[in-house]
Amino acid sequence: TQLLEQSPQFLSIQEGENLTVYCNSSSVFSSLQWYRQEPGEGPVLLVTVVTGGEVKKLKRLTFQFGDARKDSSLHITAAQPGDTGLYLCAGAGRGSTLGRLYFGRGTQLTVWP
Amino acid sequence: DTGVSQDPRHKITKRGQNVTFRCDPISEHNRLYWYRQTLGQGPEFLTYFQNEAQLEKSRLLSDRFSAERPKGSFSTLEIQRTEQGDSAMYLCASSTRVAGGRDEQFFGPGTRLTVL
Repeated sequence: TQLLEQSPQFLSIQEGENLTVYCNSSSVFSSLQWYRQEPGEGPVLLVTVVTGGEVKKLKRLTFQFGDARKDSSLHITAAQPGDTGLYLCAGAGRGSTLGRLYFGRGTQLTVWP
Repeated sequence: DTGVSQDPRHKITKRGQNVTFRCDPISEHNRLYWYRQTLGQGPEFLTYFQNEAQLEKSRLLSDRFSAERPKGSFSTLEIQRTEQGDSAMYLCASSTRVAGGRDEQFFGPGTRLTVL
C-alpha cells in the first residue's frame, strides 16, 4: 500500500501546454519534497515544502503544500521537452520514522516538441 | 564533483552470490540513507545512519541484507545469497539538517543490480 498516491501515473502532452500533477495522502508529513528522475539515474531534488499552504516557484514550476500538510501539487506552465521525466513526491516521516522518506510511484511526463 | 557517488553503477550476478555496494555521501552530511527502487515504483526506504550509528531499518531489510558505515563517512550495503527478487536499483542519499529543521536528502546515481 502506497502512503502517497500520485496522479496521473502517465502524462503525454505537447510543448507549450500546462499541466498539474497531484500527490495525495491520508497521513500528515513534516515536509514534502518533489524530485525529478531520469532513466538510469537517481532522483534530483527540485523543492522542499514545509508549511501548510506554502507555495514555491521554480521558474515555470509551481509547488503547493496542502493546508493540512497531507497533499501537494506541482504545476508546470508552458511545458518544454526538457521537462520530460519521472516526477516523484516524497513525504518526510515524523516521530519514530523521522529519517525516512515515503515516495509515491511517480508521474511519468513526456513533452513532445 | 561534490555530490553523492555510488559504486558500481551496474552489477550483474548469479543467484546465490554475494554482492557489496559502496556509497560516498556529500562530505559534510552526517546522515546517510539506502533505498531500493523497482520498475514502476518509487524508491522504498531500507535503512539510515546518523554518523556511524544505524538508527532505523525497514522490514524490507531481510537478514540477507547488511549495511555498515564504520567511520561515519562512506557506507556499504551487502546482499548475501542474492535472489532474483533482489534485482532493483539501489539508491543512496545523504543529508544534513537545514534551516527550519527540515532534512533534505540528495541522491546518488544508484547501483543497478541484476540477478540472473
